[in-house]
Amino acid sequence: GQQLNQSPQSMFIQEGEDVSMNCTSSSIFNTWLWYKQDPGEGPVLLIALYKAGELTSNGRLTAQFGITRKDSFLNISASIPSDVGIYFCAGVYNQGGKLIFGQGTELSVKP
Amino acid sequence: NAGVMQNPRHLVRRRGQEARLRCSPMKGHSHVYWYRQLPEEGLKFMVYLQKENIIDESGMPKERFSAEFPKEGPSILRIQQVVRGDSAAYFCASSYRESDTQYFGPGTRLTVL
Repeated sequence: GQQLNQSPQSMFIQEGEDVSMNCTSSSIFNTWLWYKQDPGEGPVLLIALYKAGELTSNGRLTAQFGITRKDSFLNISASIPSDVGIYFCAGVYNQGGKLIFGQGTELSVKP
Repeated sequence: NAGVMQNPRHLVRRRGQEARLRCSPMKGHSHVYWYRQLPEEGLKFMVYLQKENIIDESGMPKERFSAEFPKEGPSILRIQQVVRGDSAAYFCASSYRESDTQYFGPGTRLTVL
């Protein structure tokens, strides 16, 4: 089945640093999504990407939908302590709406 | 303007018992998705339902698991004769239309003793 490979698995950074994480797949996806999950909560949508090559920003977050439609990255600039959490990429493979999730990137920010 | 609601938030069952997880989608949403998250893993799709119809159940285990989304009331994920391997967080998401943005609930954490 379709799989998303997300890296890195975890990151430990200093407050103020920039962060980058990415997802790759052997399959083509129609939509790429980035979610953040806090402990004990459900995923919250950060950015949605619908077109190959699309670059979208949401505050300090920037994400891109790869030209080949097989990858996406998420950048966080000037990290702050509340950025701590697990970040997931997710792809929509076909029109059915089913999301395929990556394994997650756990971000720790040291004040 | 409530979001997706799930209850209970935590559920403890002994092996062999039944677990019923409820999901109320966002107001106006008629598409519901269930996902399972094992510890330290990503979410895995289980089933996609519209009112009174199962659209895609390709992620559902063949036995003991069932889901419904009746005309009135919440969507229910039912697990019969639970086993320890069923211990996980179960998330429900809803959307206004198929392939629209999915909004997730807070999840139900099932522990099987």
